[in-house]
Amino acid sequence: NAGVTQTPKFQVLKTGQSMTLQCAQDMNHEYMSWYRQDPGMGLRLIHYSVGAGITDQGEVPNGYNVSRSTTEDFPLRLLSAAPSQTSVYFCASSYGPAKEKLFFGSGTQLSVL
Amino acid sequence: GDSVTQMEGPVTLSEEAFLTINCTYTATGYPSLFWYVQYPGEGLQLLLKATKADDKGSNKGFEATYRKETTSFHLEKGSVQVSDSAVYFCALNTLGAGSYQLTFGKGTKLSVIP
Repeated sequence: NAGVTQTPKFQVLKTGQSMTLQCAQDMNHEYMSWYRQDPGMGLRLIHYSVGAGITDQGEVPNGYNVSRSTTEDFPLRLLSAAPSQTSVYFCASSYGPAKEKLFFGSGTQLSVL
Repeated sequence: GDSVTQMEGPVTLSEEAFLTINCTYTATGYPSLFWYVQYPGEGLQLLLKATKADDKGSNKGFEATYRKETTSFHLEKGSVQVSDSAVYFCALNTLGAGSYQLTFGKGTKLSVIP
């Protein structure tokens, strides 16, 4: 059972570069989301989607774009990376609203120099 | 706004010790409450949850009771093992059943030594 798969696991970028973090789930979940985890800050929601073609902003959306063209995939795009975006990024999915169980990927550790 | 406050760590315990990790919350309405656990190098996993006042969530020897009067959801385990070493996050689902957002606490790192 693959669950939620994130790639890459590690990435180093230079300031101003762009990149896409990939997230795929094979559980036919309608809801997908991206969180970032920073020391002493817990997890903060970046963007989420309640189904293909539908996305919305979370708590910290600036500097990130998302799209949801299929149920399975929910990529996160950094348009022009900044050192403040150095973090660990987690993708999560669930059958429905957040009161249901969230399934998390194993994370992407991103460093922006 | 809605928020979750957890006791600061790290917490270091000897094997078979009793564990309590405090969690209090501020929320409008009637949130659902969760404990998630993150083992080293992994993503978060749901440990237990409670959806209404006085509910007790339990899993793998861990328990937490939803206390509306004290706005608390403290995590307890009677006898910890080395394998329980992880970071524990308290979280709540805001804005009622239709919300897609979890609000997390900052996390408490637990280390259990033999």
